[in-house]
Amino acid sequence: ELKVEQNPLFLSMQEGKNYTIYCNYSTTSDRLYWYRQDPGKSLESLFVLLSNGAVKQEGRLMASLDTKARLSTLHITAAVHDLSATYFCAVDRNSGGSNYKLTFGKGTLLTVNP
Amino acid sequence: AAGVIQSPRHLIKEKRETATLKCYPIPRHDTVYWYQQGPGQDPQFLISFYEKMQSDKGSIPDRFSAQQFSDYHSELNMSSLELGDSALYFCASSLKINPSYNEQFFGPGTRLTVL
Repeated sequence: ELKVEQNPLFLSMQEGKNYTIYCNYSTTSDRLYWYRQDPGKSLESLFVLLSNGAVKQEGRLMASLDTKARLSTLHITAAVHDLSATYFCAVDRNSGGSNYKLTFGKGTLLTVNP
Repeated sequence: AAGVIQSPRHLIKEKRETATLKCYPIPRHDTVYWYQQGPGQDPQFLISFYEKMQSDKGSIPDRFSAQQFSDYHSELNMSSLELGDSALYFCASSLKINPSYNEQFFGPGTRLTVL
């Protein structure tokens, strides 16, 4: 059974600080995704990481993937209040035929304080 | 760009009632996934369809059923509702154009409250 673990689950940061969220997964997977979710809202796709060593950056967020270590990181640089949200990593895996269901981590609730 | 559409956005039901949730995927997308997200939880995969055929099943109760129609929209039917069914239900769609890339795009969700 594929397991995805995120840490920390709760993160309170001050504006301007840097921090990293970690995502470990238990078995070989095809792809890793990072999503952002605001309270009661949908899941917004942030990054899709397709191969070992992949690094993607968007604004103050940077994601990387190490498939050998089965580890992805989401690095936050100089946090601002607008980044406050829950961040999920998710892994998909071909479960037969054409299907690629997502298995999510528990999510990291990020609060950025002024 | 067109996104995934879900209806209704909010639904309130009594215990033991039935509910039907609808999902309209992004045009030309051929795969639909349903996920359930309880309060403070991560989304859990329920069921998926590819080209109108069920392709995988997750932790979906027997009281729930789903199908994908000829126009690719999908419906999740829920019967004998229980308090524990209260959750956000997301539909996601993707296009199986290339096995190496299968990004799922999520709809806004339907918030179901069972009283």
